[in-house]
Amino acid sequence: QKEVEQDPGPLSVPEGAIVSLNCTYSNSAFQYFMWYRQYSRKGPELLMYTYSSGNKEDGRFTAQVDKSSKYISLFIRDSQPSDSATYLCAMRYAGNNRKLIWGLGTSLAVNP
Amino acid sequence: EAGVVQSPRYKIIEKKQPVAFWCNPISGHNTLYWYLQNLGQGPELLIRYENEEAVDDSQLPKDRFSAERLKGVDSTLKIQPAELGDSAVYLCASSQSSGANVLTFGAGSRLTVL
Repeated sequence: QKEVEQDPGPLSVPEGAIVSLNCTYSNSAFQYFMWYRQYSRKGPELLMYTYSSGNKEDGRFTAQVDKSSKYISLFIRDSQPSDSATYLCAMRYAGNNRKLIWGLGTSLAVNP
Repeated sequence: EAGVVQSPRYKIIEKKQPVAFWCNPISGHNTLYWYLQNLGQGPELLIRYENEEAVDDSQLPKDRFSAERLKGVDSTLKIQPAELGDSAVYLCASSQSSGANVLTFGAGSRLTVL
């Protein structure tokens, strides 16, 4: 079993839809949870990160962490064609261990 | 300010040939990472530098891969000799020493080995 599981999709939604992207993980010691967005032929770019449990909102994006279920989510409201990309979750332990554990990424297409 | 700069963007070589990739991180970022990304996969760490010191190279295949970061600024990743399975995108990223969650990636160098 991989430490981080992420459904690769592809996920196709109409413009304006609410998108839910998810990752599950097996190691309860993870403390930092990140979402990166990767456009085709580009490197990943950080969308947001959260520490431990709870929600974090940034514009149309909301990151949610449920440590009891070992489950993280990224919600995109009012999705736009420009949101079409691959979304990668990543996580790491607290402290000096800086190694990120990455999911496979979910491919999202938002259709106008 | 320029982001993380990588070159070349694309490289096609025959197997057993050498290849080198170059990365210039964001100014002031002490930490530099080299990742490998296969199609449909997440990035896999090859090596992490803190300034000029390689602090995590456990996943670097040292029989054919080498990296250096002289003077703690730009870095070069070399493969010699290349194998068919090395075809992938090689991503460079950098971060501040205190920003382990906030990595800034370059656009990547796409290698095709024939």
